[in-house]
Amino acid sequence: GAGVSQTPSNKVTEKGKYVELRCDPISGHTALYWYRQSLGQGPEFLIYFQGTGAADDSGLPNDRFFAVRPEGSVSTLKIQRTERGDSAVYLCASSNGGTQYFGPGTRLLVL
Amino acid sequence: AQSVTQPDIHITVSEGASLELRCNYSYGATPYLFWYVQSPGQGLQLLLKYFSGDTLVQGIKGFEAEFKRSQSSFNLRKPSVHWSDAAEYFCAVVRFGNEKLTFGTGTRLTIIP
Repeated sequence: GAGVSQTPSNKVTEKGKYVELRCDPISGHTALYWYRQSLGQGPEFLIYFQGTGAADDSGLPNDRFFAVRPEGSVSTLKIQRTERGDSAVYLCASSNGGTQYFGPGTRLLVL
Repeated sequence: AQSVTQPDIHITVSEGASLELRCNYSYGATPYLFWYVQSPGQGLQLLLKYFSGDTLVQGIKGFEAEFKRSQSSFNLRKPSVHWSDAAEYFCAVVRFGNEKLTFGTGTRLTIIP
């Protein structure tokens, strides 16, 4: 597709469960980013990949959060032992230098 | 650390009126500056960006923004708003050599007839 895609668009889970959120970047974009947007807030940086490696993971809130990008394209954000405070919209963006282009996000609700 | 302030949480404007959304940043050098728009249930769409050069930048949908170094500001303007401009607007900065965007808290724009 032409833009960044994210699946699922919505995810409802129970506290303590494991979830995976997927991001398909724009074809050819080497950089990929994850952000989290809580209600009424701007997006906050989580992690940035350049190719297959995590170049900056300083925004991950704790060790329950982990992300991978094994082949330098698709990325998966993994959250273990989900908590109600993890409820937010998770945004993915990709770039080929300079401008970041965002996907529609995954809305995660932890009950 | 860099930060972005959008002092107006919510602005209401009449259709056809002019618009200015404020953005101030805190950073020691000139950052790269962006304005994004987010419609309900939609992702973030880039309106315009400033990297260097002419301090008045033109974007999509008739928007423009002016970088003022002396005021550390990057305000967004539109001469005549349309009902379809109702959305949330985010200012963001990225420091050269550091890839992560820092966003403001956003300004919600409501358009009234």
